[in-house]
Amino acid sequence: DVKVTQSSRYLVKRTGEKVFLECVQDMDHENMFWYRQDPGLGLRLIYFSYDVKMKEKGDIPEGYSVSREKKERFSLILESASTNQTSMYLCASSLGRQETQYFGPGTRLLVL
Amino acid sequence: DAKTTQPPSMDCAEGRAANLPCNHSTISGNEYVYWYRQIHSQGPQYIIHGLKNNETNEMASLIITEDRKSSTLILPHATLRDTAVYYCIVRVAQVGVTSGTYKYIFGTGTRLKVLA
Repeated sequence: DVKVTQSSRYLVKRTGEKVFLECVQDMDHENMFWYRQDPGLGLRLIYFSYDVKMKEKGDIPEGYSVSREKKERFSLILESASTNQTSMYLCASSLGRQETQYFGPGTRLLVL
Repeated sequence: DAKTTQPPSMDCAEGRAANLPCNHSTISGNEYVYWYRQIHSQGPQYIIHGLKNNETNEMASLIITEDRKSSTLILPHATLRDTAVYYCIVRVAQVGVTSGTYKYIFGTGTRLKVLA
């Protein structure tokens, strides 16, 4: 069974804080993804990575950065959190670029 | 730029088959259809996917029309635990980035309620 875990289920931060969201997968998957999910907008891709130290922008990368130093771990960084980044953040991974994505449980972030 | 259209909600009696429709009239020849579901406050769970042939696994069946403009997910014997939001997704090639990468275009999904 594929296991994708995220560091926190719920997080509350203040405007301007630096926020780290961590994602770990245990299946040696090459690709990892970060999405955010908002009511009425569905899931939107923020960034993805297809190899260690490699990253590509998704549809809404502004205000975010990512880090992939190890194959199993993909971090999403909010350099200076803002209230419009309050959302559900979902991490996913896939074995190859064309393979099925498997999602983690999500982190619900509230920025005050 | 959602490529799929689904009814916002459906009900199904427990033990009956749940048939969830999806329209994807602008799908291209090499774009796969994926189905996921999301139970409240959890991450999306993969169900099934297909290109042009019908597919079946232990969870569900996927029927894709010959023209590929629509598909139906079938849960053969719905249980209360199948209550969730079901997403029909088209997997498209990423444009302008490293070749061979794909992304999912999520729609807004169908909220399926299985009734006792």
